[in-house]
Formats: sequence, structure tokens, C-alpha cells
Amino acid sequence: EVLLVESGGGLVQPGGSLRLSCAASGFTYMDYWMAWFRQAPGKGLEWLGNIKQDGSEYYAPFLSGRFTISRDNAKNSLYLELNSLRPEDTAVYYCARGRVEHWSPPIFDYWGQGTLVTVST
Amino acid sequence: DIQMTQSPSNLSASVGDRVTITCRASQNINSWLAWYQQKPGKAPKLLIYQASSLESGVPSRFSGERSGTEFTLTISSLQPDDFATYYCQQHNTYPYTFGQGTKMEIK
Repeated sequence: EVLLVESGGGLVQPGGSLRLSCAASGFTYMDYWMAWFRQAPGKGLEWLGNIKQDGSEYYAPFLSGRFTISRDNAKNSLYLELNSLRPEDTAVYYCARGRVEHWSPPIFDYWGQGTLVTVST
Repeated sequence: DIQMTQSPSNLSASVGDRVTITCRASQNINSWLAWYQQKPGKAPKLLIYQASSLESGVPSRFSGERSGTEFTLTISSLQPDDFATYYCQQHNTYPYTFGQGTKMEIK
């Protein structure tokens, strides 16, 4: 069974930093793209970035370099480093697995349950 | 960025109804469009990928179609479990973008 479990969310002050983790199991992690998404309270879904099997990263431009995605294939883990946090970054953060079919871009077929990040004084 | 215009934003329907949700891309995305279902407090669930391919384990009452830059998700006969919010997402061009969502409610 494919499982993705996020952790590391919590309350952080504006300007602060946080590191989210996503533990993957039930599949050969090194063979898949991975991605982070978020959803602000009562709002829609937003793509943050992808990371390829070899560690190549792709980000949403609005992040302006504040967030960094990394992966550790030996630990079956995905990470999201959040810096210079703003109140508008308050959201549930999801990791997702990206599978590729016949040269397709990644298709996000499994998602974690999400971890809530609250940016507030 | 590619804008995904999803309609309607809200949909009131009854069990057994046939319903269609539309998503229009602001430019060509080929067939790289996915549809997700999301229930309150839960993660999104992939329903359709590549515009019209049914994800494994998803009931066959869900279907997707593409006509140029217009995409539709159809549920042929609504079931009680289908009342949720639906999102389209393009993954042809970075940054990947979502429609604003369609909240489906029981009439």
C-alpha cells in the first residue's frame, strides 16, 4: 500500500522558518517524481514544486526562492524547507507522488494527509 | 501562467443526476489535464488523468473529455459519495495550475 505521511507543521512567527517532511512507503521511492502542494483555509489547491528522481527541482515562481524542495532516496523521504514565512503561507501542505506514463509529465496519483502550517504572532 | 477557468463554482444536484463540470485552459495544454475529488479535511483524490483516462479503482461513472482547450468531467449518475469539491489541474507547463474548484452539493 502506498503511503505518504507529512510531518513538521505547526505554529511559526512571521519571518520564521520550518522544515516539513514526507515519509514514503509502499513503493520504490527513487523511481518517482515527488511534489508539494498547499491549500489555504477554505481556498483551492496550489502547486509549489516538483522534484525529479535525480533531484532536479522545479518551483512555482511566486515562491521567489523562499521554499526549497529536497529528497533523500536512501531514507524514502521528501522535504520542504520554508523560509521567510508570511501569514499568507498559512495552509495545509501536501506531498504527492508523481508517476510518469509513456513520457508524460508527472501524474499525481497519491497524496499524503497534509500537515498544517500556521504563520502568526 | 496558464489560467484554468472552471465552471460552475457551485453545483446543486440530486442522486442519480448526470452532471458535467467544465475547465477551460487559457492556452494549449495538450491533454495534460487531471481531475481530482476532494472531501472536507481530506487529501485530493485523482479521478482522471491525461484528460480522459480513468484512474485505477475509480468508478466508471466518472469520465473526462477534451475538445481543444476545453475539458469536461462528467458523472453519469451521481451517488451519495460523490458530493465533494472537484478540481482540474494542468500539468503541461510550469507552473502547474488548478481551476478554482466546483463544490457539489445535494439538492
